[in-house]
Amino acid sequence: DQQVKQNSPSLSVQEGRISILNCDYTNSMFDYFLWYKKYPAEGPTFLISISSIKDKNEDGRFTVFLNKSAKHLSLHIVPSQPGDSAVYFCAASRTGGYQKVTFGIGTKLQVIP
Amino acid sequence: NAGVTQTPKFQVLKTGQSMTLQCAQDMNHNSMYWYRQDPGMGLRLIYYSASEGTTDKGEVPNGYNVSRLNKREFSLRLESAAPSQTSVYFCASSHTNRGRNTGELFFGEGSRLTVL
Repeated sequence: DQQVKQNSPSLSVQEGRISILNCDYTNSMFDYFLWYKKYPAEGPTFLISISSIKDKNEDGRFTVFLNKSAKHLSLHIVPSQPGDSAVYFCAASRTGGYQKVTFGIGTKLQVIP
Repeated sequence: NAGVTQTPKFQVLKTGQSMTLQCAQDMNHNSMYWYRQDPGMGLRLIYYSASEGTTDKGEVPNGYNVSRLNKREFSLRLESAAPSQTSVYFCASSHTNRGRNTGELFFGEGSRLTVL
């Protein structure tokens, strides 16, 4: 039972355009959501996060939107750059006490120069 | 600043052999984790250690054991390797503030294990 779902295995975007990566979750107890970026042969690195008390968090070219009623979040990258080409993992956790992090299966983003 | 260091980076085993993956972090983090990454499956938690002296099972613990040797080190052992354990293994750590863990994990570079 996948609690965090990334339904698009891959996405191709032209350089300079917007990349939108989507994620859905089923566990209403999740209250913290994260995006990780992974290059080949490297470990994932934390990119951006959002608490369930917010609906938007922005960090430079990266913005994460959270729609709690729809149990949906998205990552927007504007403008997209070739160096953004990587696998992006959506993740979720519960912050009350110790809780483990649950990851989606990832979306491979290719930014075409 | 090394962050999270895993060894070995590559390993080939025969079915039934045993091995230990080593992990160390130098960020003074309380919590440490072992994940495996498989195509189409994402990152799945094998075991975690919320703090020194404690370990707990994750989603896919069967066939593995762990040891939290001290605050810095968290090892993963395969007692009798099976082809289904062919995967890329990632160690991670995180800081727990007053028992709260947001999920901001710091990962090692990964260990690619092949079991023949």
